[in-house]
Amino acid sequence: DQQVKQNSPSLSVQEGRISILNCDYTNSMFDYFLWYKKYPAEGPTFLISISSIKDKNEDGRFTVFLNKSAKHLSLHIVPSQPGDSAVYFCAATAYSNAGGTSYGKLTFGQGTILTVHP
Amino acid sequence: DSGVTQTPKHLITATGQRVTLRCSPRSGDLSVYWYQQSLDQGLQFLIQYYNGEERAKGNILERFSAQQFPDLHSELNLSSLELGDSALYFCASSVDPKDTQYFGPGTRLTVL
Repeated sequence: DQQVKQNSPSLSVQEGRISILNCDYTNSMFDYFLWYKKYPAEGPTFLISISSIKDKNEDGRFTVFLNKSAKHLSLHIVPSQPGDSAVYFCAATAYSNAGGTSYGKLTFGQGTILTVHP
Repeated sequence: DSGVTQTPKHLITATGQRVTLRCSPRSGDLSVYWYQQSLDQGLQFLIQYYNGEERAKGNILERFSAQQFPDLHSELNLSSLELGDSALYFCASSVDPKDTQYFGPGTRLTVL
């Protein structure tokens, strides 16, 4: 049972345009969501996160939107740059629902390969 | 550089063998997590430690075990290795379980 899904295996975007990466989840206990970027032969790098009490969080060129009713989140990158080309993972966790103890276990999507063309 | 270090970077071994993967968390981080990334399963949570104590277990096989030492570094022990254990193993750390996790560069395990 895949609780976090990234349905687009890949996305190709022109430099300067917007990249939109999507993620869906099924577990209503998830209350914190994160995006990680991963280059080949490196570990995932934290990008941006959002709590379920918010619907938007911005950090420079990166904005994450959360639609709780649809159990959907998206990452917007504006403007896209060739250096953004990487695999992007959506992750979710249930900080406040872990029986009083915050476990912090992350459940990851399968990832989306973003290619930004010059 | 996330500040999380993992050794070795690459490990090649044979079926039936036992290996130990090592992780040093970022300075000040008390929580350590282990994840496995295989081609067909994506990134899967294995186990979490907080200040030396096991906090949560995921899809970790009984052949696998881990511990966190008093100096907060952690080791993941994989025994009776099978071909299917070939994967990237990542360690992550955070100040506490509610904090953002920062990942190490990973150990690539190849079982022949």
